[in-house]
Amino acid sequence: EADIYQTPRYLVIGTGKKITLECSQTMGHDKMYWYQQDPGMELHLIHYSYGVNSTEKGDLSSESTVSRIRTEHFPLTLESARPSHTSQYLCASAAGQRFPDTQYFGPGTRLTVL
Amino acid sequence: AQKITQTQPGMFVQEKEAVTLDCTYDTSDPSYGLFWYKQPSSGEMIFLIYQGSYDQQNATEGRYSLNFQKARKSANLVISASQLGDSAMYFCAMRERKSGANNLFFGTGTRLTVIP
Repeated sequence: EADIYQTPRYLVIGTGKKITLECSQTMGHDKMYWYQQDPGMELHLIHYSYGVNSTEKGDLSSESTVSRIRTEHFPLTLESARPSHTSQYLCASAAGQRFPDTQYFGPGTRLTVL
Repeated sequence: AQKITQTQPGMFVQEKEAVTLDCTYDTSDPSYGLFWYKQPSSGEMIFLIYQGSYDQQNATEGRYSLNFQKARKSANLVISASQLGDSAMYFCAMRERKSGANNLFFGTGTRLTVIP
């Protein structure tokens, strides 16, 4: 089981602010993911990474950006937050050694943009 | 078309009883994996159980078992001896090999409430 951490757990912020959601894992997993989930709804993939310096967009279009400079760290940034960004953001990682490599999730960040 | 369908928005079960949460899936890829996750009100997604498309036997993990019926494309989760702590949202998810990296398709979830 992966140890994967997200900070902050809760964030309330005003429109137009720049925010960075942190995600770190200690298992040395190559693959990392960001999902967006509205309350009571399914998860949608917004970004993923195969490894250092690798990032790709997921199925759901998102105005956020990500970076992967270190294996263990996969932060998500919103340059200018808007109320439409209000959602829960879940980070996950997987070892990536063999299909279908189970994804393990962090505790999530609940973002509210006023 | 929906890749994963969970038709039960909410389910109730008496404590200590068993409950089955339904999941059907749609894929043309012969190689795929099916997952169940639990999401308590605190928000984290907890991995419960996995079934591979080529696995001959149904997966089991403690009180969780997966009733895998490949011809029907169903992968129902069975929770035995329900506990109050089992109250949560439960999501079925699928990963297809042909999808390449990474798409894990989720259903809309079932909210399980365990009644004392």
